[in-house]
Amino acid sequence: GAGVSQSPSNKVTEKGKDVELRCDPISGHTALYWYRQSLGQGLEFLIYFQGNSAPDKSGLPSDRFSAERTGGSVSTLTIQRTQQEDSAVYLCASSLAGSGDTQYFGPGTRLTVL
Amino acid sequence: AQSVTQLDSQVPVFEEAPVELRCNYSSSVSVYLFWYVQYPNQGLQLLLKYLSGSTLVESINGFEAEFNKSQTSFHLRKPSVHISDTAEYFCAVSDRSGTYKYIFGTGTRLKVLA
Repeated sequence: GAGVSQSPSNKVTEKGKDVELRCDPISGHTALYWYRQSLGQGLEFLIYFQGNSAPDKSGLPSDRFSAERTGGSVSTLTIQRTQQEDSAVYLCASSLAGSGDTQYFGPGTRLTVL
Repeated sequence: AQSVTQLDSQVPVFEEAPVELRCNYSSSVSVYLFWYVQYPNQGLQLLLKYLSGSTLVESINGFEAEFNKSQTSFHLRKPSVHISDTAEYFCAVSDRSGTYKYIFGTGTRLKVLA
């Protein structure tokens, strides 16, 4: 079946602009995660959704970052007033949500802030 | 809080030689343990995971990892590597309740030489 998809695959933006990154999880997966992969920080957790709720936002680096999930499916990560340090690969993962369930990762969105 | 340490950032090894990629974790609670692989220009894929039961877990392509509770380790091994195993390998832990978010190590880049 279809895996996790993300769009766009690449995004180049200017400092100060807002960007939206999209994630389509595997159908039926109630848990959705956003991670960030950068050279300096490795792989970092950003936010976790269970259904449309986000019980864990502890990894969001600043209030410029926000995310939402609608219909228990698609999620959007929004970065306002982008900074150069936001440049990274943003990864989305989904799982069935049970304890120990495997997280399936999307291909990522590479964000470059000029 | 949990943390994962992968001490080796790069491991070069000749084809058909054995390899061990080290992973140590720290946690105040019981965890699940995972190894993910990222081939060049591809997304993260699950290699194997430990949830409970037998402490030795195996993947379909010849890798194995052993959970050692006393040493808080989950080292990945393969008795004979192939060129195609060249990739970056990430160790991760998740808690057994709550959000199940992953805490990743910094990764080990395995380079198999002909």
